[in-house]
Amino acid sequence: EVQLVESGGGVVEPGGSLRLSCAASGFTFDDYTMHWVRQAPGKGLEWVSLISWDGGSTYYADSVKGRFTISRDSSKNSLYLQMNSLRTEDTALYYCAKGGHYASGSSPSDYWGQGTLVTVSS
Amino acid sequence: DIVMTQSPDSLAVSLGERATINCKSSQSVLYSSNNKNYLGWYQQKPGQPPKLLIYWASTRESGVPDRFSGSGSGSDFALSISSLQAEDVAVYYCQQYYTTPYTFGQGTKLEIK
Repeated sequence: EVQLVESGGGVVEPGGSLRLSCAASGFTFDDYTMHWVRQAPGKGLEWVSLISWDGGSTYYADSVKGRFTISRDSSKNSLYLQMNSLRTEDTALYYCAKGGHYASGSSPSDYWGQGTLVTVSS
Repeated sequence: DIVMTQSPDSLAVSLGERATINCKSSQSVLYSSNNKNYLGWYQQKPGQPPKLLIYWASTRESGVPDRFSGSGSGSDFALSISSLQAEDVAVYYCQQYYTTPYTFGQGTKLEIK
């Protein structure tokens, strides 16, 4: 059974930093693209970032480019999101989502975690 | 960036009736080399993460009831629920995965009339 469990959320002041983690299990982590997607309270979904199966390619939404860094550790079956220079508009529930197999190219996210809440407030 | 626009923003349909949600992309998400539309539909119920319903615009994800169907090509797509059930109350999102950023529509809230 595929499981994605996010952690690391919390309350941080504007300008601060936070590192989110996502522990993956139930599939061959090394073979799949992984995503971060966020949802501000009462709002819609916003795609944040993706990392390729081998970590060789990363992409970001313009809203986080230069401030957030996505990474993965195959030895720990884990995905990370380092968030720096946080702003109040980064307040959201952050979801980790499984993407496509390396042989399949671009694919939708077929499994999602429950999310971890990040609140940026003074 | 590809902008995804859903219509309507909210929809109220009677139980057993058909519900249709539309999604329009600002540019085509049809990849000509494989003739696939890089368009997915998600269902999100309150307090839950999104659930993938449809991918490649019209392929149902495993386990999704056959009352859900996706249609369209190029830039215009639709998600239909043939006979609305109480458990279908949710917010529905389309997403293009043709190119990064993988943008979502704003969502359509589906309720029972």
